[in-house]
Amino acid sequence: DTGVSQNPRHKITKRGQNVTFRCDPISEHNRLYWYRQTLGQGPEFLTYFQNEAQLEKSRLLSDRFSAERPKGSFSTLEIQRTEQGDSAMYLCASSATGGITGELFFGEGSRLTVL
Amino acid sequence: GNSVTQMEGPVTLSEEAFLTINCTYTATGYPSLFWYVQYPGEGLQLLLKATKADDKGSNKGFEATYRKETTSFHLEKGSVQVSDSAVYFCALSVQGGNKLTFGTGTQLKVEL
Repeated sequence: DTGVSQNPRHKITKRGQNVTFRCDPISEHNRLYWYRQTLGQGPEFLTYFQNEAQLEKSRLLSDRFSAERPKGSFSTLEIQRTEQGDSAMYLCASSATGGITGELFFGEGSRLTVL
Repeated sequence: GNSVTQMEGPVTLSEEAFLTINCTYTATGYPSLFWYVQYPGEGLQLLLKATKADDKGSNKGFEATYRKETTSFHLEKGSVQVSDSAVYFCALSVQGGNKLTFGTGTQLKVEL
C-alpha cells in the first residue's frame, strides 16, 4: 500500500503527558499537511510543509504543539502537556507540487484520547 | 474569512432514492470547491472537484456544479446505493492558499 500512513492509530494518555504522532506521506509528494478533527466537525487545518520547510501554521497550533519534517519525508506532530481538549483525530495529508490546491490524499488518522 | 456551510445530517434514504446534500460557501477570491467522502473506518477521499464557476465535477455517479451566483456546490446522485453510506464533506481552497476549509460534514445512511 503506497498511501499516507499514520501511527499510532489510537493513543490513550493521561493529562499532562507528551504524545507524538508520525505521518509517512505518499513518497513522491512534497507537500504535507496536518489537520485536527473533533466529533461532529470537519477537519481543521493545523500546519503545512513544503519539503522540510514549515510554511504555514494555524492559530489553533498552540505553543504546546510542534510539527517537524526534518528530511522532507515523514513528519511528526508532538503535543506536550496534553489537555483533555486535545482529544481529537489528527489527520495527515499529502499532495504533489503542481496539483490543484486542495486535492489532498489523507491518511486514516491518529485518534488521541486524553484522560 | 472563508467558510463552508453544509446541511445537517444524518440523511437517511432508501436505496435508489435521489440524493441532494446542500453546500454553500463564503470565500475571498475565486475558490476551488471539493467534495470529500469518509467511509466507515477509512480516511477522507476526494470524491469530486470544480475549479471555476459553472464547472461540473462528477465521479461514481455523484455530481456537483460550481454556482458562483448562489455561492453553492450541492452534491447530487440520482440513485443511491447502500455502499454510498458515509460522511460527506464540502470544502474549499482559495487560489494561492495552502489549506482546505471544510464544512461540518453530512452523514448519509442508505437502507435497503
